[in-house]
Amino acid sequence: QKEVEQNSGPLSVPEGAIASLNCTYSDRGSQSFFWYRQYSGKSPELIMFIYSNGDKEDGRFTAQLNKASQYVSLLIRDSQPSDSATYLCAVNSGGYSSASKIIFGSGTRLSIRP
Amino acid sequence: ETGVTQTPRHLVMGMTNKKSLKCEQHLGHNAMYWYKQSAKKPLELMFVYNFKEQTENNSVPSRFSPECPNSSHLFLHLHTLQPEDSALYLCASSQDLEVIGGDTQYFGPGTRLTVL
Repeated sequence: QKEVEQNSGPLSVPEGAIASLNCTYSDRGSQSFFWYRQYSGKSPELIMFIYSNGDKEDGRFTAQLNKASQYVSLLIRDSQPSDSATYLCAVNSGGYSSASKIIFGSGTRLSIRP
Repeated sequence: ETGVTQTPRHLVMGMTNKKSLKCEQHLGHNAMYWYKQSAKKPLELMFVYNFKEQTENNSVPSRFSPECPNSSHLFLHLHTLQPEDSALYLCASSQDLEVIGGDTQYFGPGTRLTVL
């Protein structure tokens, strides 16, 4: 059973601090990794994707991938109240690039306190 | 309206009712998907259509019946549902089945379904 694991939270972070969200996956053959943000009552929205080991930065967001340890993380710098949402980790399993092979984690609820 | 739209946004139905969920994408995509999102559970892929042909059915009970008349429209027909089927049903689309770069799936706002 291929799995993607996330701490459900809630993770509470003060405004302006760095929020760190972690995700582990079981399929060593996974090649593509995604982070989605889902506001309460809304649909998931892609915010980051990463394929290579190391860091990928986009504005205040940094995705980190370590394939040897099978984890991917998302850092949010200078956290804002608008970052309060559930963050879904998604992994394309088995080395496939098909969207139908994407497995989602249950999500981590992030709360930014003023 | 742009992107992926879904109607209705909320639906309450009894176990003996028959209802349909509708999804429409305005992105010119070729692949469409139905997902189920239950509280504190991962998104579950239900059905996949590519160029209006069904390519995957992830062991979904027959009380859920999808229909894809063209690449822009996707329906989910519901009948004799159970209370445990209450969830958020999300439609998504992508340019193709293959995910390249950040060109992945775009989700609709979902239909919140409650089965009494």
